[in-house]
Amino acid sequence: DIQMTQSPSSLSASVGDRVAITCRASQSISSYLNWYQQKPGKTPKLLIYAASSLQSGVPSRFSGSGSGTDFTLTISSLQPEDFATYYCQQSYSSPYSFGQGTKLEIK
Amino acid sequence: EVQLVQSGAEVKKPGESLKISCKGSGYSFTSYWIAWVRQMPGKGLEWMGIINPGDSDTRYSPSFLGQVSMSADKSISTAYLQWSSLKASDTAMYYCARQAQGVSLDVWGQGTTVTVSS
Repeated sequence: DIQMTQSPSSLSASVGDRVAITCRASQSISSYLNWYQQKPGKTPKLLIYAASSLQSGVPSRFSGSGSGTDFTLTISSLQPEDFATYYCQQSYSSPYSFGQGTKLEIK
Repeated sequence: EVQLVQSGAEVKKPGESLKISCKGSGYSFTSYWIAWVRQMPGKGLEWMGIINPGDSDTRYSPSFLGQVSMSADKSISTAYLQWSSLKASDTAMYYCARQAQGVSLDVWGQGTTVTVSS
């Protein structure tokens, strides 16, 4: 099975900051990498699929990059509504595992 | 509107059986696999497996194989997740989600809370 490791596990930042969250796969997954956002008590929301494709309706301040084993989710200018937990997920081979999550908190 | 609507919260005792549901609407239910995802209290997302509602082909995570059963009734656009004998450790939120392009999960149900306690 493929293991997904996110870093950092938590991150404090301010409104307007540029932040990056990384996700590393235990083996190459090409570009089969998705990013989700989950706010407390809410359902997860798809942000990015296939490593860098922005899901419809997601603000352009979110972007994804990477291929192989190393991936990055970047938020160009943090907004108040972006404070949440972010998960990566590999969709290269079943089981389509998630990373452990990165909690983004207000500084 | 494309949506997945899950059945309501459940409170069960250890050893009891349970079947929760996920009903799709607003799209061709048999054209997309349905995934099930577990989230234990205060923890992250865990991919449990997927089912093809068209032919009921299933793929389970090794962590959940033998622990749960997935099924679907395409005539009523509904997928199911079932336990034959619940444990306290099954206490969690369970989400269904539509598997779309890039094998991403683009539409999620609202979640079903399962509480197992004696």
